[in-house]
Amino acid sequence: KQEVTQIPAALSVPEGENLVLNCSFTDSAIYNLQWFRQDPGKGLTSLLLIQSSQREQTSGRLNASLDKSSGRSTLYIAASQPGDSATYLCAVKNTGNQFYFGTGTSLTVIP
Amino acid sequence: GAVVSQHPSRVICKSGTSVKIECRSLDFQATTMFWYRQFPKKSLMLMATSNEGSKATYEQGVEKDKFLINHASLTLSTLTVTSAHPEDSSFYICSASGLNTGELFFGEGSRLTVL
Repeated sequence: KQEVTQIPAALSVPEGENLVLNCSFTDSAIYNLQWFRQDPGKGLTSLLLIQSSQREQTSGRLNASLDKSSGRSTLYIAASQPGDSATYLCAVKNTGNQFYFGTGTSLTVIP
Repeated sequence: GAVVSQHPSRVICKSGTSVKIECRSLDFQATTMFWYRQFPKKSLMLMATSNEGSKATYEQGVEKDKFLINHASLTLSTLTVTSAHPEDSSFYICSASGLNTGELFFGEGSRLTVL
């Protein structure tokens, strides 16, 4: 069964710093990998979607990479802002229709 | 991106009553919808997977007679919490997939409080 791990569980950085969030998965036979953001008491917002054939995706200050063979993905956030404070989750979709979620990284950007 | 709307966002009910939560995909056909429960500061717990026109598949430990899921159309799924008790108080979130990309979209979540 696919297992998804996110490290670190929590991270605090001063405003303006660049940071990297990590996501690892045990089964490389994935269909895609998706990064989400969740604010307290809210649903999940999709940030980036990487298909299994892709290596990276970019949206604004966010860049997500995928190394399927090693079972790893990173989410890079450039020039962090207090508004980036949230919980970030990665999810892996298998070739069926199942999604496996990591436990998330809680990010705090300190003004 | 595609939009999934969940309603109501907050609901308070008395113990013993039933509550229905709706999940709608507004601009795409959601062949599969998922229902989750989330406890404070915890990750998502998948409750059930529903495919349009067929019975939902429930995760182990989730009472299907307690949490009724209906996915009657490609744009609407409902979760009904029957005979609600205080321990059913939680944050319930739906998600939907159906695009060729396999992307997953989430509703805004529903906070249920059972008195």
